[in-house]
Amino acid sequence: DTAVSQTPKYLVTQMGNDKSIKCEQNLGHDTMYWYKQDSKKFLKIMFSYNNKELIINETVPNRFSPKSPDKAHLNLHINSLELGDSAVYFCASSQDRIGSPLHFGNGTRLTVT
Amino acid sequence: AQTVTQSQPEMSVQEAETVTLSCTYDTSESDYYLFWYKQPPSRQMILVIRQEAYKQQNATENRFSVNFQKAAKSFSLKISDSQLGDAAMYFCALGGGADGLTFGKGTHLIIQP
Repeated sequence: DTAVSQTPKYLVTQMGNDKSIKCEQNLGHDTMYWYKQDSKKFLKIMFSYNNKELIINETVPNRFSPKSPDKAHLNLHINSLELGDSAVYFCASSQDRIGSPLHFGNGTRLTVT
Repeated sequence: AQTVTQSQPEMSVQEAETVTLSCTYDTSESDYYLFWYKQPPSRQMILVIRQEAYKQQNATENRFSVNFQKAAKSFSLKISDSQLGDAAMYFCALGGGADGLTFGKGTHLIIQP
């Protein structure tokens, strides 16, 4: 009965490959997010979706594309992986955009070799 | 743009003692919220405490409390009776407007037995 679940937990792949990370939340939240945590532990928002509409898109390369088939899912697709994409990627959800805390998944450690 | 600054990359405290983690922020929003998240070595992101900016009363959660100084844009976290399980990265975060949550760079808290 995990609230926010993301798979896989670990992902090791070679440069140039395309990969996806899946995320599902069973909290009934309206907004879902993807965050990137770099090697220095800095967390930066990549995307958020509210009722299947993209509402934030920070300066993220267009190789990264979020896809939300429904309110409970927000998957992250990454094309042509680069070494610099190695990081921990967190999915999160919240009840609304202002004030509600984020509930995080356990993260996916992506290693690009 | 919103910014969150945590000026202490690392803090150390003896078990059972009290420690305060600093956080300052900047925002042009009038309605915003502040959070502290804990990230233990398991890398799970755990909500510690939440503060509404319009409330003058400082939030408390058991051994965790904040000192919220709105005019100074300061939001420090006090951990009383530190326990070994408190060892983690602590992130201060600011939420408001359309930018999701903005995180500080984190403070690594070490508990000395």
